[in-house]
Amino acid sequence: DGGITQSPKYLFRKEGQNVTLSCEQNLNHDAMYWYRQDPGQGLRLIYYSQIVNDFQKGDIAEGYSVSREKKESFPLTVTSAQKNPTAFYLCASTPTQGAYGYTFGSGTRLTVV
Amino acid sequence: KNEVEQSPQNLTAQEGEFITINCSYSVGISALHWLQQHPGGGIVSLFMLSSGKKKHGRLIATINIQEKHSSLHITASHPRDSAVYICAVQGAQKLVFGQGTRLTINP
Repeated sequence: DGGITQSPKYLFRKEGQNVTLSCEQNLNHDAMYWYRQDPGQGLRLIYYSQIVNDFQKGDIAEGYSVSREKKESFPLTVTSAQKNPTAFYLCASTPTQGAYGYTFGSGTRLTVV
Repeated sequence: KNEVEQSPQNLTAQEGEFITINCSYSVGISALHWLQQHPGGGIVSLFMLSSGKKKHGRLIATINIQEKHSSLHITASHPRDSAVYICAVQGAQKLVFGQGTRLTINP
């Protein structure tokens, strides 16, 4: 079955360490997105990519970095510059950017101690 | 003021009750999505609407473009419907999400 795989489901890191969250899709979608979810708030866009080797900052990109070397993969690195990294991170994809039909992953809950 | 507002924020009901969750938005949109998030965190897309009404099983979603309002209804609610329901509006470049409505259905 096609879908998005995010791993790991839970991640713990010490403060000051960079950490990379994985997002892989086998839907042949061009566009991929990373969102952050905090309690009581809506999901907020961190980064998005419309095509391989291209990505754009979202609303809250500071302290994060991404790459898009392959169509299937859009990893997110949470750097030590991110002031408050503990959150739930969701990856999503669409056939093309702005298209209908979002598919979401199951998310990664990151806790920084 | 948030661009997408959901009400209520929390809703507890008994099994079998008719449930309504509301979503109001203030921006121009090309479509509106209703999403379901279970306790594990993964999100499932329930509906995508640009006009009128859609039905899937016990779930019904409606949208009024002129009033910038959408509702999600659940008929004959069941404890397995307990989840967070999220409204998201699709603008030109991205989705804008509401804060979600936490629904708990008691047996």
